[in-house]
Amino acid sequence: EVQLVESGGGLVQPGGSLRLSCAGSGFTFSSYWMSWVRQAPGKGLEWVANIKQDGSEKYYVDSVKGRFTISRDNAKNSLYLQMNSLRVEDTAVYYCARAGGGSGSLDYWGQGTLVTVSS
Amino acid sequence: EIVLTQSPATLSLSPGERATLSCRASQSVTSFLAWYQQKPGQAPRLLIYDASNRATGIPARFSGSGSGTDFTLTISSLEPEDFAVYYCQQRSNWPWTFGQGTKVEIK
Repeated sequence: EVQLVESGGGLVQPGGSLRLSCAGSGFTFSSYWMSWVRQAPGKGLEWVANIKQDGSEKYYVDSVKGRFTISRDNAKNSLYLQMNSLRVEDTAVYYCARAGGGSGSLDYWGQGTLVTVSS
Repeated sequence: EIVLTQSPATLSLSPGERATLSCRASQSVTSFLAWYQQKPGQAPRLLIYDASNRATGIPARFSGSGSGTDFTLTISSLEPEDFAVYYCQQRSNWPWTFGQGTKVEIK
């Protein structure tokens, strides 16, 4: 069974940093692109970042470029999101998701971890 | 950035009725469009990928159509568990983008 489990969320002050983790199991982690998607309270979904299987390509939404870094450790079946210079508007539930096989669509999602940026 | 516009924002229907949801892209995404369902407090679930392909385990009452800039998600006969928010998403160009969602509510 494919599982994705996020961790690392919490309360942080504006300007602070946080590192999210996502542990994958039940599939060959190193064979898939992986994504982070976020959802602000009561709002819609926003794609944040993608990383290729070997980490050689990374893409970000403009609003996080230069502040967030996506990375992965295939030996540990883990995905990460390093978030620096956090803003109030980064407050959201952050989901990790697998970009499935041939389709590239997000076919499995974690349960999400809440990041709250507030003073 | 490709903007996806979903309509209507809210769809009020009764169980057993047909639901038709629209997603329009600001430029062509060819067939690289997916549909997701999200229920309160849950992660999104992939329903349709590449415009018209049902994801694993998705019931046949869900179908997708379209290409280029205009796409439709149809639920042929609403079941009680289908009342939720639906999002379209494109993976044709970076950055990937989602529509703002259509809420299907019980009338």
